[in-house]
Amino acid sequence: GENVEQHPSTLSVQEGDSAVIKCTYSDSASNYFPWYKQELGKRPQLIIDIRSNVGEKKDQRIAVTLNKTAKHFSLHITETQPEDSAVYFCAATSNEKLTFGTGTRLTIIP
Amino acid sequence: NAGVTQTPKFQVLKTGQSMTLQCAQDMNHEYMSWYRQDPGMGLRLIHYSVGAGITDQGEVPNGYNVSRSTTEDFPLRLLSAAPSQTSVYFCASKTRGTQYFGPGTRLLVL
Repeated sequence: GENVEQHPSTLSVQEGDSAVIKCTYSDSASNYFPWYKQELGKRPQLIIDIRSNVGEKKDQRIAVTLNKTAKHFSLHITETQPEDSAVYFCAATSNEKLTFGTGTRLTIIP
Repeated sequence: NAGVTQTPKFQVLKTGQSMTLQCAQDMNHEYMSWYRQDPGMGLRLIHYSVGAGITDQGEVPNGYNVSRSTTEDFPLRLLSAAPSQTSVYFCASKTRGTQYFGPGTRLLVL
């Protein structure tokens, strides 16, 4: 089955700086890669996604890149704000099933 | 639309007791799934269903049963609760890749 690794597990950045979270996947058949944000005590919420036929996607301050050859994808958050503090999960979809990474706890330092 | 709903929000069980976690969605999604979330381990797939009458095992199915008699409902049954099943349980439904999570059920097994 699919295996998704996510790094780092924790990340602290100064407000206004950029944050990058990286994930790798194992199944070359995976074709959809969503990113979820989870605030404390809340459900995971989709923030951005990318399909395997696209190399990069951007939505305001967040962007995702995908390298199919290397089987890795990354989340980039620019101009970070205190409300970006949360746990972020990457995921890869193969045969309709989503496999999640273990999460990155992002802390924005004011 | 209510989206994905789950009941109860919180439950305490004694070892050996059984219970059913309820999940319903009103978005007419064919794909539904159950995850458990434990600290440091991300979201792990328990069982999933690609449509009414069809269910399959995920990564951690032992100790859990599911059924899918309607498109809307996907209950998760704990047959004989164990302390290792203490966790937060999320139900989710999916269409065209985008997966929506319910609010979660926090389960404590003593």
